[in-house]
Amino acid sequence: SAVISQKPSRDICQRGTSLTIQCQVDSQVTMMFWYRQQPGQSLTLIATANQGSEATYESGFVIDKFPISRPNLTFSTLTVSNMSPEDSSIYLCSVERTDGPLADEQFFGPGTRLTVL
Amino acid sequence: SQKIEQNSEALNIQEGKTATLTCNYTNYSPAYLQWYRQDPGRGPVFLLLIRENEKEKRKERLKVTFDTTLKQSLFHITASQPADSATYLCALERWSGGGADGLTFGKGTHLIIQP
Repeated sequence: SAVISQKPSRDICQRGTSLTIQCQVDSQVTMMFWYRQQPGQSLTLIATANQGSEATYESGFVIDKFPISRPNLTFSTLTVSNMSPEDSSIYLCSVERTDGPLADEQFFGPGTRLTVL
Repeated sequence: SQKIEQNSEALNIQEGKTATLTCNYTNYSPAYLQWYRQDPGRGPVFLLLIRENEKEKRKERLKVTFDTTLKQSLFHITASQPADSATYLCALERWSGGGADGLTFGKGTHLIIQP
């Protein structure tokens, strides 16, 4: 399996500010994903971040609001920009193995709990 | 668009019994389906993946079935224990024009195993 860490684990932010969340993986992976889990809801995919290409955003999510970087095969960042209380959520990164016995399995980080006041 | 429904928001089971959770999906024919466990305040933890050509898969006390005709997966926990209490998520691969692209999750079933 892959070991994934996220920073920060939680934060409380003021409306209108931005927060950058970091995701670090213990091994090189091609496919990384960012999800959001709003209170009491399931996970919703924000974007796919593959190294060497622009992030691909899902419907309802735009790059200006959620810019993503993927500088190498073990690291990615997600920025939540110009935050509002509606952005209060848990943000999770995940990776997917593409070969070997663990192919197609996704591994998730512990999440970043964001509260916007 | 893909839709995933999990049979109930909450399920109470007596310790020692078999817990059965249901996942139904529409508008899609996935190559595989996955089940995850999520505890409060934590990220989902992968449990099992079952492919379209597999009818059943087992891992210790867990069993998953996959019926592509009914578009349904059943997730069983045998000899359930209070430590099995958690939210269980069903997820399908997403496909974009370029290939598999992340997962679509159901809302989850909150399983409570009572001593």
